[in-house]
Amino acid sequence: GQQVQQSPTSLVLQEGENAELQCNFSTSLNSMQWFYQRPGGSLISVFYNPSGTKQSGRLTSTTVIKERRSSLHISSSQITDSGTYLCAMQASSSFSKLVFGQGTSLSVVP
Amino acid sequence: GGIITQTPKFLIGQEGQKLTLKCQQNFNHDTMYWYRQDSGKGLRLIYYSITENDLQKGDLSEGYDASREKKSSFSLTVTSAQKNEMAVFLCASSIGKYSGNTLYFGEGSRLIVV
Repeated sequence: GQQVQQSPTSLVLQEGENAELQCNFSTSLNSMQWFYQRPGGSLISVFYNPSGTKQSGRLTSTTVIKERRSSLHISSSQITDSGTYLCAMQASSSFSKLVFGQGTSLSVVP
Repeated sequence: GGIITQTPKFLIGQEGQKLTLKCQQNFNHDTMYWYRQDSGKGLRLIYYSITENDLQKGDLSEGYDASREKKSSFSLTVTSAQKNEMAVFLCASSIGKYSGNTLYFGEGSRLIVV
C-alpha cells in the first residue's frame, strides 16, 4: 500500500537553530501537505505544496515529485515551534483521502 | 472562517460498549473524514464521506460504523470498544471531492476504554 516515511521521529533544538524535516513517499504523488499539531490540539495546515518550493515566514517547504520526497525547513527556531509536524500525501491513483506520515516531534528548548 | 466541533472531547466507556463520536462543521464543505491517531503512528483513515448520505471505507474501518445524515455532520460509532482502541479520533473536512484541497481538523476526541 501507499506509505509515507517521515524523519527524524523526534528532534530537540536549541532556540535559534535550524531544522530540516523529511518525508519520503512510496508511490507517485498528486499532492502533499504539511500539518502542525500542538500537544492536545488540532492539526493546522502549514503548507499545501504539490511541487516546488514555498515559503511562509521562517518555514520553507520543498517537494520534488520525481524523487517522491518533500522537506520542511524551519529556520531560527523558536520555543513556540514545538509540537508535531506531519506530512500527508494524496497519491495519484487515489483521490479524496490523504495518507499521513507518523510525524516528527519537535522540541525547541531555551 | 469556519469551525469543526467534535463532541465529546473525552469519551469513557466500558469494554464491549457501543460508543459514538460526533462532528459538526460550518464550512459548508462537501467532504468529511474520520481519522484515528495513535502515538507514533500518524493518522489512519477510518471512514470518509463525499456528500450527504455517502460513506466510503478507509484503511481502518473494521469495528467502526459511520453516518452522514446531514452535510454538516458526520458521526463515528465504535461498535464494540476494546482497550487497544484508546486513541485520539480526529474529524476533518475539505471543500471538495478531491483532497487536493486543504483539510481542516477538529480538536479531537480521546477515547478511554476501562
